[in-house]
Amino acid sequence: AQSVAQPEDQVNVAEGNPLTVKCTYSVSGNPYLFWYVQYPNRGLQFLLKYITGDNLVKGSYGFEAEFNKSQTSFHLKKPSALVSDSALYFCAVRDMNAGNNRKLIWGLGTSLAVNP
Amino acid sequence: DTAVSQTPKYLVTQMGNDKSIKCEQNLGHDTMYWYKQDSKKFLKIMFSYNNKELIINETVPNRFSPKSPDKAHLNLHINSLELGDSAVYFCASSPLRGLVNEQFFGPGTRLTVL
Repeated sequence: AQSVAQPEDQVNVAEGNPLTVKCTYSVSGNPYLFWYVQYPNRGLQFLLKYITGDNLVKGSYGFEAEFNKSQTSFHLKKPSALVSDSALYFCAVRDMNAGNNRKLIWGLGTSLAVNP
Repeated sequence: DTAVSQTPKYLVTQMGNDKSIKCEQNLGHDTMYWYKQDSKKFLKIMFSYNNKELIINETVPNRFSPKSPDKAHLNLHINSLELGDSAVYFCASSPLRGLVNEQFFGPGTRLTVL
């Protein structure tokens, strides 16, 4: 079965330190992967996506993600965290079943807290 | 210049009532979605329309009925509201070009059923 796992419910990091939010996936074939961020009381916002090509994808707000096919992972990273990065982060993968190509399979979310 | 808008933002109602949530996007997108986010922040796809045609219809009680009068609008009608329907409902849209496109989300409608 296709799935996305975000193994950490919460990640805490000090401001200025690098951050990583983990995501692993399970789909057949080549995955199409996404990261979204949800600030409190807001809708989700797209951060970045991997389709093909360079394994390191750069996105909004200084975030990047590294696709690792052998580890089936797509971890979100930022070199220096800001307090304003505190939010809920969702990883998603496109459903690869025929007829479902507009559907995303979502992780359960990781709450990131950046401490000043 | 709001991209995806939803009305109302908050909805408080009694069990058994019928209510509607409206969604509009001015991005020219062809595909629109309804999601439910529960109190634990789990996100669940409910429906998706592509150019007014239903393309995703997840296991959702038939008390929930989406309607798309045109490709810029997707409304959600809920009959006989239950306590478990309390959640935040998000509308989203995405373009048709290509097959791997990000979704743009509305601000959400917080539904509270008393």
